Amino acid sequence: GIQVEQSPPDLILQEGANSTLRCNFSDSVNNLQWFHQNPWGQLINLFYIPSGTKQNGRLSATTVATERYSLLYISSSQTTDSGVYFCAVTANFGNEKLTFGTGTRLTIIP
Amino acid sequence: GAVVSQHPSRVICKSGTSVKIECRSLDFQATTMFWYRQFPKQSLMLMATSNEGSKATYEQGVEKDKFLINHASLTLSTLTVTSAHPEDSSFYICSAGQVTQYFGPGTRLTVL
Repeated sequence: GIQVEQSPPDLILQEGANSTLRCNFSDSVNNLQWFHQNPWGQLINLFYIPSGTKQNGRLSATTVATERYSLLYISSSQTTDSGVYFCAVTANFGNEKLTFGTGTRLTIIP
Repeated sequence: GAVVSQHPSRVICKSGTSVKIECRSLDFQATTMFWYRQFPKQSLMLMATSNEGSKATYEQGVEKDKFLINHASLTLSTLTVTSAHPEDSSFYICSAGQVTQYFGPGTRLTVL
């Protein structure tokens, strides 16, 4: 099956800093989503981005499908950005099963 | 965005008992729902695909007789962990959606 690797696994930053999280996948995808899992376990949808670039406030994401990677940018980090960030993909058209990446644990220090 | 709920949010049970977890899509119909399991500090692993009106499809290595899934309506799927043991303690999460998957808040199961 498709492999999804995220880097870095852990990231500790000062409040106000910017960060870039990376998601590499081993095969072609027709769906890619970024999620933020908060400390209570809830997965929050950030982006649906199988290709191209999107922005939502301080967050933006870019997926280069031909090169099999996606990037999540977080600017001016806040303590509420702490948590685990996952990317997840579906590899086959019409198959909605998501394969999750390994995750990046982000800690923002005040 | 779409809303998916789960109940209960937390359950503690004795070894050998069965536990039922409900997953509901509140503002849309879902012919397909998904069940995931997440162990501490790990990623989410897909357990099974719940299909409305038909049998669930289980991922390799997931015991279908232990994790019973019923998807009786377009807004409700249930996961029953039968004869639970301490190794079944985990965080169980469901999702639903079409192009975009939306996730429930999860159920933390602790088996004593």
